[in-house]
Amino acid sequence: QKEVEQNSGPLSVPEGAIASLNCTYSDRGSQSFFWYRQYSGKSPELIMFIYSNGDKEDGRFTAQLNKASQYVSLLIRDSQPSDSATYLCAATGYSSASKIIFGSGTRLSIRP
Amino acid sequence: EPEVTQTPSHQVTQMGQEVILRCVPISNHLYFYWYRQILGQKVEFLVSFYNNEISEKSEIFDDQFSVERPDGSNFTLKIRSTKLEDSAMYFCASYGYTFGSGTRLTVV
Repeated sequence: QKEVEQNSGPLSVPEGAIASLNCTYSDRGSQSFFWYRQYSGKSPELIMFIYSNGDKEDGRFTAQLNKASQYVSLLIRDSQPSDSATYLCAATGYSSASKIIFGSGTRLSIRP
Repeated sequence: EPEVTQTPSHQVTQMGQEVILRCVPISNHLYFYWYRQILGQKVEFLVSFYNNEISEKSEIFDDQFSVERPDGSNFTLKIRSTKLEDSAMYFCASYGYTFGSGTRLTVV
């Protein structure tokens, strides 16, 4: 069973600080990795995706991928109270690029 | 920005009844997906659909589920005989991994 693992949190970070969210995956053949933000009662909102080793930056967000360690992370710089949400890590599989496997999510709370 | 539209936003149905959840994916997208999320649990893949055929389905997607693209724009998920455990948020997504706003299905 291919899995994507995340700490459930909650992760509490002061406003303005860097929030660091981590994720590991079990399918060594996974090709693409995604970070979604989900507010309570709402649908997942794609923040960014990454498929190459290294860092990818988009505004305040940086995704990091290390395929050797099967590890993906998301850094949120200058955290804002509006960043308080559940962050979902997801991956496509090697044998199947047509579905995404989600982790259970990390609850992030930004304290003023 | 293009959106994936889902209707209804909330559906209450009696156990054993059939329900149809509707989705209008982003135009020109060819891959469509259904996911579900039981309250407090992770998002689970149900089925992917490409070129008017099921591309892949999960163990959850058993014989009580079906998908169709009845016309050029709509994409539907039918649950033939609903069970209490089918109560969940159902999300449609189209290629590019953009999710719709979801349908909350409550089976009573």
